[in-house]
Amino acid sequence: AQSVTQLDSHVSVSEGTPVLLRCNYSSSYSPSLFWYVQHPNKGLQLLLKYTSAATLVKGINGFEAEFKKSETSFHLTKPSAHMSDAAEYFCVVSDPRGNEKLTFGTGTRLTIIP
Amino acid sequence: EPEVTQTPSHQVTQMGQEVILRCVPISNHLYFYWYRQILGQKVEFLVSFYNNEISEKSEIFDDQFSVERPDGSNFTLKIRSTKLEDSAMYFCASRANRYEQYFGPGTRLTVT
Repeated sequence: AQSVTQLDSHVSVSEGTPVLLRCNYSSSYSPSLFWYVQHPNKGLQLLLKYTSAATLVKGINGFEAEFKKSETSFHLTKPSAHMSDAAEYFCVVSDPRGNEKLTFGTGTRLTIIP
Repeated sequence: EPEVTQTPSHQVTQMGQEVILRCVPISNHLYFYWYRQILGQKVEFLVSFYNNEISEKSEIFDDQFSVERPDGSNFTLKIRSTKLEDSAMYFCASRANRYEQYFGPGTRLTVT
């Protein structure tokens, strides 16, 4: 079985300051991990993915995440928040056994303060 | 850039009615999925589909649900007799090979 825990349901940061969205995972297998973003009334967009290559993964819009096996974490960061980053962010783990169904975290709503 | 499309964007139906949600996956993709997100809750896996058959389904995906790929391009989710608790956003996704799934914009289903 696999699961994902997003430790914060809501994060607020000021524009131009760093963003940290926390995620811990549990998996019986070597996991593939993803961050997806959902803007209001929009679908789910892939931000970045970890698939057992480099532990520091760079994604779109300046986001990156670091896979830390010892801490079972995959936190999402961005050095400087932009107003357009306001959205819901989901940490996701994939089941590697064949069909690769996705298990989502509960999401973190990111608010950017002007 | 190719994308997954879904129709309709919003469907309102009465309890007990049948609904069909439609998806057009990216054309060279082989694996297809349906997920749903009840308002205020997390996104949940419903079913995966490969080689014209269901490869896995969740406990949610009971006999009221079915999926079909009728013509090689569309991928549909049918709910035979809708219940109030079926109200949710339904997302279709597809992937080519390993790793990332590409999601459609979703269909908001409201059961009254």
